[in-house]
Amino acid sequence: DGGITQSPKYLFRKEGQNVTLSCEQNLNHDAMYWYRQDPGQGLRLIYYSQIVNDFQKGDIAEGYSVSREKKESFPLTVTSAQKNPTAFYLCASSIDSRETGWGILSYNEQFFGPGTRLTVL
Amino acid sequence: AQKITQTQPGMFVQEKEAVTLDCTYDTSDQSYGLFWYKQPSSGEMIFLIYQGSYDEQNATEGRYSLNFQKARKSANLVISASQLGDSAMYFCAMRGLDSSYKLIFGSGTRLLVRP
Repeated sequence: DGGITQSPKYLFRKEGQNVTLSCEQNLNHDAMYWYRQDPGQGLRLIYYSQIVNDFQKGDIAEGYSVSREKKESFPLTVTSAQKNPTAFYLCASSIDSRETGWGILSYNEQFFGPGTRLTVL
Repeated sequence: AQKITQTQPGMFVQEKEAVTLDCTYDTSDQSYGLFWYKQPSSGEMIFLIYQGSYDEQNATEGRYSLNFQKARKSANLVISASQLGDSAMYFCAMRGLDSSYKLIFGSGTRLLVRP
């Protein structure tokens, strides 16, 4: 079955440690995204990538890093520079809208993974 | 700047009744898309329905319909014949025509369906 997988489901980090969250998709999507969700709030974009070996900062990129070496994979590293990393992290993917034109582009919904809940001890 | 506002933090609805979840948006883009997602307690975001800014008809998907009023910049979600499984968080989101194609989310509405 096609979809997005995220691992681990739960992750605990000590202060000062870097941790990496995995995101893999087999939907053949070019675009991938990382969002952060805090309790009682909506999602905020951390990083996104529209093509392999290229990625862009979102609204809250400070303290995070990503890589996009393969189309299927978009791992997120939460560094020690992220002062308040406890949150729910969601990865998403979509067709790269740039190639489809506006009429079809706008329907390219993002498909989400099951999320990783990160807690700092 | 784009913004999504959901003014209802929580709502109750009786099973089998209809419910409307409010969403207003702000954008200077002429072309944009509006989305609704459902987030059950498991955390996964489930796409429900989409409305394009140039779509003349309101979108419908099964029991979900979108009441799109462009002049008022509102995109309310209507769930008909509520079921217990509809209890979840619901998020309204918007995507404009900038290069990132990112989604801007509202703060969500928690819906509880009563038996």
